[in-house]
Order: sequence, then C-alpha cells, then structure tokens
Amino acid sequence: GAGVSQSPRYKVAKRGRDVALRCDSISGHVTLYWYRQTLGQGSEVLTYSQSDAQRDKSGRPSGRFSAERPERSVSTLKIQRTEQGDSAVYLCASSPISGGPNEQFFGPGTRLTVL
Amino acid sequence: AQSVAQPEDQVNVAEGNPLTVKCTYSVSGNPYLFWYVQYPNRGLQFLLKYITGDNLVKGSYGFEAEFNKSQTSFHLKKPSALVSDSALYFCAVTLNSGNTPLVFGKGTRLSVIA
Repeated sequence: GAGVSQSPRYKVAKRGRDVALRCDSISGHVTLYWYRQTLGQGSEVLTYSQSDAQRDKSGRPSGRFSAERPERSVSTLKIQRTEQGDSAVYLCASSPISGGPNEQFFGPGTRLTVL
Repeated sequence: AQSVAQPEDQVNVAEGNPLTVKCTYSVSGNPYLFWYVQYPNRGLQFLLKYITGDNLVKGSYGFEAEFNKSQTSFHLKKPSALVSDSALYFCAVTLNSGNTPLVFGKGTRLSVIA
C-alpha cells in the first residue's frame, strides 16, 4: 500500500511569513509525528499527536510550531513567522496502534528554505 | 533526559568487508533502541529495533545490532558490506513502551567502496 507522503517536497519562504506543510500518513496509523532534520544535527521531534486524545505536543523551539489533524491520516504542520534558522528538512512519520514501541514510518520530507 | 551518540560522522569500508556503525545511548531506565537508514532524497527507513530479550537483533538487508547494557551501546553491524549500503544511518532511543517520539543521534555516513 501507499506509504507516508508529504507535500510540497520543496518550499521557499520569505522570513516572517507563515508556512504550512502537509503529511498524508498510512491509513489506520494512530500516531503522527513531525521531526525537523538539519545537517549534522540529526532529527528532533517538533510535535506529535495520538488520534484518540488529539494530543498535540508542540515543542521546540517555541510556540511558533503547531500541528492540526483535520482527518485521522492527515496532518498539517504550521510554522508561524518563519526565521532563517527554520531552514531544514521536515519529516513526517506515523506508527500503528498495536503494542509498542512501534517502528515509525517516515515520509520523504519537505525541504524548507527561509530567505 | 535521553540522548544518543554516534561518535563517527563518516565510516568508510571496502566492499565485502564487515562494517560497524557505532551508537551509544544515555537513558535513566530501560531503553528501546532503533536503527534507521536514509538514502538521498528519501525518508528514514526502519532497519531493526531492540525491545527486550536476545541482545543480538537481526534486521533488514542483512544488518544486525547488538545491545550491550554494560557499555550502553547498540552498534550496527553487517558481515559483508555492499556498495548499495552506502547511506546515512541513524540510531534512536525511546524510554516509553507506547508510541512516543524517538531521540535520534546525529547520523553516520557510510561509504562502501568497490
């Protein structure tokens, strides 16, 4: 079946603008994660939600990052007032409901460049 | 706080030779450990995980990893490297048994030379 997809694959934004990145996860998966990957720094979690509780753990670096989940298998990461330091690859991942901890299935990422 | 260290930014191996990609972790409880691989312009792909039980874990593409509690390590190994194994490798850890975020290392770039 289809894996995790993300759109757009590349995004260029002017500093100070808001951006929205979309993730379509695997049907039936419960938990959706957003990670930020930077060269030489690995990947750090930004936020995640578990569908039953709709819990959104907005995390680093501040409240500028949030995620919405309009459908069970769709998530939108919103970054407000982008900064040049937000330039990175944003990875979406999902995992199933069965007893964990489960492997996470990752999308190809969206490369964001903030000018 | 949980953390993962991958001490080598780059590992070079000749094709056919055994390879090892190192990972050490720091957690305050029992860790759940993962290895992922990333090819250019692709997302992270799951290789293997250690939850409990046998310290030697076998995964995809002939890779295996050994959990060593006393050394807090989880090194990735393969007996005979292929050129197609060249990629970025990430070690990750979580403390929780449910679906919670992973803490990743910075990654190690593996180059297998023909």
